[in-house]
Amino acid sequence: DARVTQTPRHKVTEMGQEVTMRCQPILGHNTVFWYRQTMMQGLELLAYFRNRAPLDDSGMPKDRFSAEMPDATLATLKIQPSEPRDSAVYFCASGLGGGQETQYFGPGTRLLVL
Amino acid sequence: LAKTTQPISMDSYEGQEVNITCSHNNIATNDYITWYQQFPSQGPRFIIQGYKTKVTNEVASLFIPADRKSSTLSLPRVSLSDTAVYYCLVGSRGYSSASKIIFGSGTRLSIRP
Repeated sequence: DARVTQTPRHKVTEMGQEVTMRCQPILGHNTVFWYRQTMMQGLELLAYFRNRAPLDDSGMPKDRFSAEMPDATLATLKIQPSEPRDSAVYFCASGLGGGQETQYFGPGTRLLVL
Repeated sequence: LAKTTQPISMDSYEGQEVNITCSHNNIATNDYITWYQQFPSQGPRFIIQGYKTKVTNEVASLFIPADRKSSTLSLPRVSLSDTAVYYCLVGSRGYSSASKIIFGSGTRLSIRP
Protein backbone atom coordinates (compact mmCIF):
# COMPACT_ATOMS: atom_id res chain seq x y z
CA ASP A 1 0.00 0.00 0.00
CA ALA A 2 1.90 3.04 -1.29
CA ARG A 3 1.81 6.05 0.99
CA VAL A 4 3.24 9.51 1.29
CA THR A 5 5.69 9.69 4.18
CA GLN A 6 6.63 12.79 6.13
CA THR A 7 9.35 13.42 8.69
CA PRO A 8 9.45 14.43 11.40
CA ARG A 9 5.94 13.74 12.63
CA HIS A 10 6.35 16.21 15.47
CA LYS A 11 8.70 19.12 15.94
CA VAL A 12 9.06 21.54 18.83
CA THR A 13 11.50 24.38 18.34
CA GLU A 14 12.25 27.84 19.55
CA MET A 15 11.56 31.01 17.69
CA GLY A 16 14.36 31.90 15.30
CA GLN A 17 15.46 28.33 14.64
CA GLU A 18 15.48 26.71 11.23
CA VAL A 19 12.93 24.00 10.61
CA THR A 20 13.16 21.47 7.79
CA MET A 21 10.29 19.16 6.94
CA ARG A 22 10.68 16.30 4.50
CA CYS A 23 8.26 14.44 2.31
CA GLN A 24 8.63 11.31 0.23
CA PRO A 25 5.91 11.23 -2.43
CA ILE A 26 4.42 8.02 -3.70
CA LEU A 27 6.73 6.42 -6.23
CA GLY A 28 5.70 7.42 -9.73
CA HIS A 29 3.77 10.52 -8.68
CA ASN A 30 5.01 13.65 -10.41
CA THR A 31 3.05 16.30 -8.53
CA VAL A 32 3.77 17.34 -4.95
CA PHE A 33 1.79 19.74 -2.78
CA TRP A 34 2.58 21.42 0.53
CA TYR A 35 -0.26 22.54 2.79
CA ARG A 36 -0.51 24.17 6.18
CA GLN A 37 -3.47 23.55 8.46
CA THR A 38 -4.49 25.63 11.47
CA MET A 39 -7.73 25.96 13.35
CA MET A 40 -8.11 29.56 12.24
CA GLN A 41 -7.17 29.31 8.56
CA GLY A 42 -7.99 25.71 7.76
CA LEU A 43 -6.06 24.03 4.95
CA GLU A 44 -3.92 26.45 2.95
CA LEU A 45 -1.94 25.54 -0.12
CA LEU A 46 1.63 26.77 0.23
CA ALA A 47 3.27 25.43 -2.91
CA TYR A 48 3.11 22.71 -5.48
CA PHE A 49 5.53 21.09 -7.86
CA ARG A 50 5.22 19.17 -11.06
CA ASN A 51 8.13 17.07 -12.30
CA ARG A 52 10.20 18.72 -9.54
CA ALA A 53 9.62 22.22 -10.91
CA PRO A 54 7.69 24.72 -8.76
CA LEU A 55 4.39 25.62 -10.44
CA ASP A 56 2.89 27.82 -7.79
CA ASP A 57 4.27 28.99 -4.47
CA SER A 58 2.17 32.11 -4.11
CA GLY A 59 0.68 30.85 -0.87
CA MET A 60 4.04 30.72 0.82
CA PRO A 61 5.64 33.61 2.76
CA LYS A 62 8.72 34.12 0.63
CA ASP A 63 10.84 35.82 3.22
CA ARG A 64 11.08 32.83 5.51
CA PHE A 65 9.70 29.79 3.68
CA SER A 66 11.32 27.82 0.90
CA ALA A 67 10.32 24.61 -0.84
CA GLU A 68 12.44 22.40 -3.03
CA MET A 69 12.55 18.99 -4.66
CA PRO A 70 16.18 17.86 -4.74
CA ASP A 71 15.07 14.70 -6.52
CA ALA A 72 11.89 12.88 -7.46
CA THR A 73 11.76 11.03 -4.13
CA LEU A 74 12.23 13.97 -1.79
CA ALA A 75 10.47 17.28 -1.22
CA THR A 76 11.52 19.69 1.50
CA LEU A 77 9.88 22.65 3.16
CA LYS A 78 12.10 24.96 5.20
CA ILE A 79 11.28 27.78 7.54
CA GLN A 80 14.08 30.13 8.51
CA PRO A 81 13.74 31.81 10.90
CA SER A 82 10.70 30.20 12.47
CA GLU A 83 8.10 32.21 14.37
CA PRO A 84 5.32 31.20 16.78
CA ARG A 85 2.70 31.97 14.14
CA ASP A 86 4.19 29.17 12.02
CA SER A 87 2.86 26.62 14.50
CA ALA A 88 0.58 24.37 12.51
CA VAL A 89 0.30 20.95 10.90
CA TYR A 90 2.11 20.80 7.58
CA PHE A 91 0.87 18.27 5.07
CA CYS A 92 2.52 16.99 1.97
CA ALA A 93 0.46 15.39 -0.78
CA SER A 94 1.39 13.81 -4.07
CA GLY A 95 -0.48 13.02 -7.24
CA LEU A 96 -0.11 11.46 -10.66
CA GLY A 97 -0.84 14.66 -12.54
CA GLY A 98 -1.65 14.39 -16.23
CA GLY A 99 -5.35 14.95 -15.57
CA GLN A 100 -5.52 12.58 -12.59
CA GLU A 101 -5.81 15.16 -9.86
CA THR A 102 -6.46 13.02 -6.81
CA GLN A 103 -4.13 14.08 -4.04
CA TYR A 104 -2.71 11.54 -1.63
CA PHE A 105 -1.86 13.14 1.69
CA GLY A 106 0.84 12.21 4.15
CA PRO A 107 0.30 12.06 7.92
CA GLY A 108 1.58 15.58 8.45
CA THR A 109 4.26 17.25 10.55
CA ARG A 110 2.95 18.93 13.67
CA LEU A 111 5.12 21.98 14.31
CA LEU A 112 5.17 23.99 17.50
CA VAL A 113 7.33 27.10 17.62
CA LEU A 114 7.83 28.48 21.12
CA LEU B 1 -11.06 31.04 -8.42
CA ALA B 2 -14.06 28.98 -7.44
CA LYS B 3 -14.64 29.51 -3.74
CA THR B 4 -16.71 26.86 -2.00
CA THR B 5 -19.30 27.17 0.76
CA GLN B 6 -20.35 24.26 2.94
CA PRO B 7 -22.33 23.90 6.17
CA ILE B 8 -20.03 24.11 9.15
CA SER B 9 -21.46 21.03 10.82
CA MET B 10 -24.04 18.27 10.48
CA ASP B 11 -25.34 15.57 12.76
CA SER B 12 -26.90 12.25 11.85
CA TYR B 13 -27.45 8.73 13.15
CA GLU B 14 -26.03 5.39 12.22
CA GLY B 15 -27.73 3.77 9.25
CA GLN B 16 -29.02 7.05 7.83
CA GLU B 17 -28.13 8.56 4.48
CA VAL B 18 -26.24 11.83 4.78
CA ASN B 19 -26.14 14.50 2.10
CA ILE B 20 -23.62 17.34 2.30
CA THR B 21 -24.03 20.16 -0.17
CA CYS B 22 -21.29 22.44 -1.41
CA SER B 23 -21.91 25.70 -3.25
CA HIS B 24 -19.43 26.87 -5.88
CA ASN B 25 -21.15 29.64 -7.81
CA ASN B 26 -18.04 30.72 -9.69
CA ILE B 27 -17.01 27.30 -10.95
CA ALA B 28 -15.15 27.47 -14.24
CA THR B 29 -15.69 25.35 -17.30
CA ASN B 30 -12.55 23.30 -16.70
CA ASP B 31 -13.09 22.81 -12.98
CA TYR B 32 -13.72 19.43 -11.42
CA ILE B 33 -15.30 18.85 -8.01
CA THR B 34 -13.51 16.66 -5.51
CA TRP B 35 -14.45 15.63 -2.00
CA TYR B 36 -12.03 14.69 0.75
CA GLN B 37 -12.52 13.21 4.19
CA GLN B 38 -10.30 14.05 7.15
CA PHE B 39 -10.07 12.28 10.48
CA PRO B 40 -8.36 13.91 13.49
CA SER B 41 -4.57 13.79 13.32
CA GLN B 42 -4.61 12.51 9.75
CA GLY B 43 -4.27 14.01 6.32
CA PRO B 44 -7.32 14.36 4.08
CA ARG B 45 -8.32 11.31 2.08
CA PHE B 46 -9.86 11.32 -1.38
CA ILE B 47 -13.49 10.22 -1.52
CA ILE B 48 -14.88 11.03 -4.95
CA GLN B 49 -14.49 13.33 -7.93
CA GLY B 50 -16.83 14.42 -10.68
CA TYR B 51 -17.49 16.94 -13.43
CA LYS B 52 -21.22 16.71 -14.06
CA THR B 53 -24.34 14.62 -13.41
CA LYS B 54 -23.68 11.72 -11.08
CA VAL B 55 -20.68 9.72 -10.01
CA THR B 56 -20.79 6.70 -7.71
CA ASN B 57 -18.08 4.60 -6.14
CA GLU B 58 -17.95 2.08 -3.34
CA VAL B 59 -18.18 4.65 -0.56
CA ALA B 60 -20.21 7.61 -1.86
CA SER B 61 -22.16 9.27 -4.63
CA LEU B 62 -21.68 12.74 -6.00
CA PHE B 63 -24.58 14.62 -7.56
CA ILE B 64 -23.87 17.65 -9.73
CA PRO B 65 -26.75 19.62 -11.31
CA ALA B 66 -26.59 20.91 -14.84
CA ASP B 67 -25.47 24.41 -13.86
CA ARG B 68 -22.66 22.93 -11.71
CA LYS B 69 -22.99 25.72 -9.17
CA SER B 70 -23.36 23.20 -6.39
CA SER B 71 -22.68 19.57 -5.66
CA THR B 72 -23.94 17.07 -3.10
CA LEU B 73 -21.94 14.33 -1.50
CA SER B 74 -24.16 11.45 -0.48
CA LEU B 75 -23.01 8.90 2.10
CA PRO B 76 -25.33 5.89 2.27
CA ARG B 77 -26.00 4.21 5.61
CA VAL B 78 -23.40 6.04 7.66
CA SER B 79 -21.66 4.49 10.63
CA LEU B 80 -19.81 5.96 13.60
CA SER B 81 -16.57 5.69 11.62
CA ASP B 82 -17.87 8.25 9.14
CA THR B 83 -17.52 10.96 11.78
CA ALA B 84 -15.00 13.29 10.18
CA VAL B 85 -14.57 16.62 8.41
CA TYR B 86 -15.57 16.62 4.74
CA TYR B 87 -14.05 19.08 2.29
CA CYS B 88 -15.31 20.12 -1.11
CA LEU B 89 -12.57 21.19 -3.48
CA VAL B 90 -12.96 22.80 -6.89
CA GLY B 91 -10.04 23.00 -9.25
CA SER B 92 -9.08 22.69 -12.87
CA ARG B 93 -7.48 19.61 -14.27
CA GLY B 94 -3.77 19.98 -14.74
CA TYR B 95 -3.39 22.53 -11.93
CA SER B 96 -1.76 25.07 -14.20
CA SER B 97 0.39 27.76 -12.67
CA ALA B 98 -2.51 30.21 -12.93
CA SER B 99 -4.88 28.08 -10.89
CA LYS B 100 -5.21 27.84 -7.16
CA ILE B 101 -6.34 24.96 -5.05
CA ILE B 102 -8.65 26.11 -2.29
CA PHE B 103 -10.03 23.88 0.41
CA GLY B 104 -13.06 25.39 2.10
CA SER B 105 -13.70 25.31 5.81
CA GLY B 106 -15.17 21.84 5.57
CA THR B 107 -18.23 20.24 7.13
CA ARG B 108 -17.82 18.53 10.46
CA LEU B 109 -20.06 15.46 10.35
CA SER B 110 -20.97 13.78 13.63
CA ILE B 111 -22.65 10.39 13.61
CA ARG B 112 -24.48 9.20 16.70
CA PRO B 113 -25.45 5.65 17.66
